[in-house]
Amino acid sequence: NAGVTQTPKFQVLKTGQSMTLQCAQDMNHEYMSWYRQDPGMGLRLIHYSVGAGITDQGEVPNGYNVSRSTTEDFPLRLLSAAPSQTSVYFCASSIQGARSETQYFGPGTRLLVL
Amino acid sequence: AQSVTQPDIHITVSEGASLELRCNYSYGATPYLFWYVQSPGQGLQLLLKYFSGDTLVQGIKGFEAEFKRSQSSFNLRKPSVHWSDAAEYFCAWGNAGNMLTFGGGTRLMVKP
Repeated sequence: NAGVTQTPKFQVLKTGQSMTLQCAQDMNHEYMSWYRQDPGMGLRLIHYSVGAGITDQGEVPNGYNVSRSTTEDFPLRLLSAAPSQTSVYFCASSIQGARSETQYFGPGTRLLVL
Repeated sequence: AQSVTQPDIHITVSEGASLELRCNYSYGATPYLFWYVQSPGQGLQLLLKYFSGDTLVQGIKGFEAEFKRSQSSFNLRKPSVHWSDAAEYFCAWGNAGNMLTFGGGTRLMVKP
């Protein structure tokens, strides 16, 4: 099993550009989520999904869109990048939820918005 | 607001010394609590978790944590630190809204 994979590893964008961060898992997990990590703030939840076709907002959803058309994939879209979105983004998955289950994290995508 | 606090941003210990990383939560009912570790340039890995029962929880890599309801704490400990333990450590709380709330993290440095 590859676990949770994320692409790209590093990306530089200009303000106003759009892009999609890819996340895939091969563990047949129902729950997937996106976090951003900023110094001193830990990880903050952007969006999550409890299964194909179902998504919901986390703590910091503004400026980001998600969709979940398959169990395996959970892409994160930045519609119009802003410097405030410079961060490290992590995708995670678990069998069914977040309250009591182990989350499996991808290696992260480092995003720089100029 | 319900939250998780890690009071220490940085901690430095000597190799072989004991370690305690602090975590406090603000939540009324028995929480679901986790400790994750992040090595440089890596994603997060679960060290241990607590739901109920025995308040002393054993994890991987020789770590343990103790849940103390009276102090709203879930501190992580290790009796003897190894240089490979240098990393960032995150405490997290699983809430009923199916979301995980993380503390700000504690960066551990290990002196030889």
